[in-house]
Amino acid sequence: GAVVSQHPSRVICKSGTSVKIECRSLDFQATTMFWYRQFPKQSLMLMATSNEGSKATYEQGVEKDKFLINHASLTLSTLTVTSAHPEDSSFYICSARIDASSGNTIYFGEGSWLTVV
Amino acid sequence: GESVGLHLPTLSVQEGDNSIINCAYSNSASDYFIWYKQESGKGPQFIIDIRSNMDKRQGQRVTVLLNKTVKHLSLQIAATQPGDSAVYFCAETQNTGNQFYFGTGTSLTVIP
Repeated sequence: GAVVSQHPSRVICKSGTSVKIECRSLDFQATTMFWYRQFPKQSLMLMATSNEGSKATYEQGVEKDKFLINHASLTLSTLTVTSAHPEDSSFYICSARIDASSGNTIYFGEGSWLTVV
Repeated sequence: GESVGLHLPTLSVQEGDNSIINCAYSNSASDYFIWYKQESGKGPQFIIDIRSNMDKRQGQRVTVLLNKTVKHLSLQIAATQPGDSAVYFCAETQNTGNQFYFGTGTSLTVIP
């Protein structure tokens, strides 16, 4: 089946620094990827939709200058948490949509744990 | 987002019993729904999906029921096993395959 890979799986960074999380579709092309955030014992919250070759679409309340998304190729989207603070510590999950002509299934990555100290 | 994350409700069942997990979705225009299973520290795994033109779909040991009138989904797991212990989320979307919005989730614990 289709595989979505995230890297790193865990990262610890100092407050004030920036950290990048990568999301790759390993065996399919994904023009659209999605980024979610999940706090412990809570549901997944959609942050933004990442579109290859264009600007990401952010959900209401998500700071686009804080969470920079780049989708430079059909297999890679990156989320950069800029000037990270302890409240940004969370589980970040990406998902990728197989192009509509092949079906409309969404596949999720394994997630990335971010801890800001 | 259309669904707000809250602290997870829990469900405990005996091994071998059937489990029923419920989900109320928020957007009457949603036309595609997926149930996901999430184990601790991992990303969600697809279990089963259903489109709005159906009211029931069966998979291996799982059945999803959709009631559009009351915007309700349920996931039935037959003969629940310890490996089924996880958090289960329903997710809804419009225009199949676009942004998915997740429900609150239910934490299922299977007692051996």
